[in-house]
Amino acid sequence: KQEVTQIPAALSVPEGENLVLNCSFTDSAIYNLQWFRQDPGKGLTSLLLIQSSQREQTSGRLNASLDKSSGRSTLYIAASQPGDSATYLCAVHVVGGSARQLTFGSGTQLTVLP
Amino acid sequence: EPEVTQTPSHQVTQMGQEVILRCVPISNHLYFYWYRQILGQKVEFLVSFYNNEISEKSEIFDDQFSVERPDGSNFTLKIRSTKLEDSAMYFCAGGGSGRNEQFFGPGTRLTVL
Repeated sequence: KQEVTQIPAALSVPEGENLVLNCSFTDSAIYNLQWFRQDPGKGLTSLLLIQSSQREQTSGRLNASLDKSSGRSTLYIAASQPGDSATYLCAVHVVGGSARQLTFGSGTQLTVLP
Repeated sequence: EPEVTQTPSHQVTQMGQEVILRCVPISNHLYFYWYRQILGQKVEFLVSFYNNEISEKSEIFDDQFSVERPDGSNFTLKIRSTKLEDSAMYFCAGGGSGRNEQFFGPGTRLTVL
């Protein structure tokens, strides 16, 4: 059974710092990996999708990498801002059936201090 | 930009009552999903729906749960007889074929008393 782990569980940084969030998964048989942002009491906003054949994906100040063989992904946030404060979730698309169910990690709660 | 919408945003019900949670997916999506998140826990997959039938379901999705897409636009999750442990945030999601990126709605918070 696929397990997704995110480290650290919480992170607090001063504004302007670059930071890295980590995600690991136990079964490398994945289709894709998706990073989400979740604000308190709200839905999930898709940030980046990395397909299993890709090694990284960039969107603005965000860069996500994927090392499928070692079961790891990182989300790099450059020049962090207070508005980046949220919980960041990593999810893998599990192989099976005709759809792609997601298995989620517990998330990293990020606080960017002004 | 099109978004997934869900209604209601918050539903309070008594144990044993039936609830229907509603979702309007993005119109060109082909795959539809329900997930739930119990407070303080991970987001968990419930069910996927494709071509008007269930594609996959998790162990959580027992006989008390059902889904349908009655009119080609709405996508509903029904819980027949709610239990206290059904209290959670329920998320609807959708995706097209190909890249399979999933887009989530804002969620319905279900509180069972």
